[in-house]
Amino acid sequence: NAGVTQTPKFQVLKTGQSMTLQCAQDMNHNSMYWYRQDPGMGLRLIYYSASEGTTDKGEVPNGYNVSRLNKREFSLRLESAAPSQTSVYFCASRAGTSGSNEQFFGPGTRLTVL
Amino acid sequence: GDSVTQMEGPVTLSEEAFLTINCTYTATGYPSLFWYVQYPGEGLQLLLKATKADDKGSNKGFEATYRKETTSFHLEKGSVQVSDSAVYFCALGGPTNAGKSTFGDGTTLTVKP
Repeated sequence: NAGVTQTPKFQVLKTGQSMTLQCAQDMNHNSMYWYRQDPGMGLRLIYYSASEGTTDKGEVPNGYNVSRLNKREFSLRLESAAPSQTSVYFCASRAGTSGSNEQFFGPGTRLTVL
Repeated sequence: GDSVTQMEGPVTLSEEAFLTINCTYTATGYPSLFWYVQYPGEGLQLLLKATKADDKGSNKGFEATYRKETTSFHLEKGSVQVSDSAVYFCALGGPTNAGKSTFGDGTTLTVKP
């Protein structure tokens, strides 16, 4: 039981390049989330998916797209990377759709955009 | 909208000192409250939670009580260890916001031997 896994762990991009961050969970959770973490700013929600086949914007969606490929997988795509997207990205999942349940986090992807 | 305000850090303590990290919140309805911990280079993991007023969450010597009258959920530990050095996040989540959570900015704790 691996929990939430993310790939890659580290990535360096040049401005304008594209990439996809992968996330998978093996806990049969309905809800999945993408956050970014910047120094002094806590966690900010980028996109979330309350169930397979649905996605919604969070607090900071500009410059990102997501795909809920199936119940297990939720990917985050940067179409044209910018230095402002340098951050640590976390994927999380939660059983059901209630915010009363805890979230389970992946180990993070550390992205640098030059 | 919902919000969480955490005590600003960083916090530096000596081993065996008493720890308090303050957390207050603003929310509609009756949210659940959480403390998550993030060790260096890792993702967040749940430390403890409380789902209704006057509930006390506890784990690994840490405690926090859900105080509805003061809208607070302060984290405490009687005797910290070097291994408690981490970033601590207060968060809330409720059934009416599509499962989204609101996080505080995090408080960095360093415990020195």
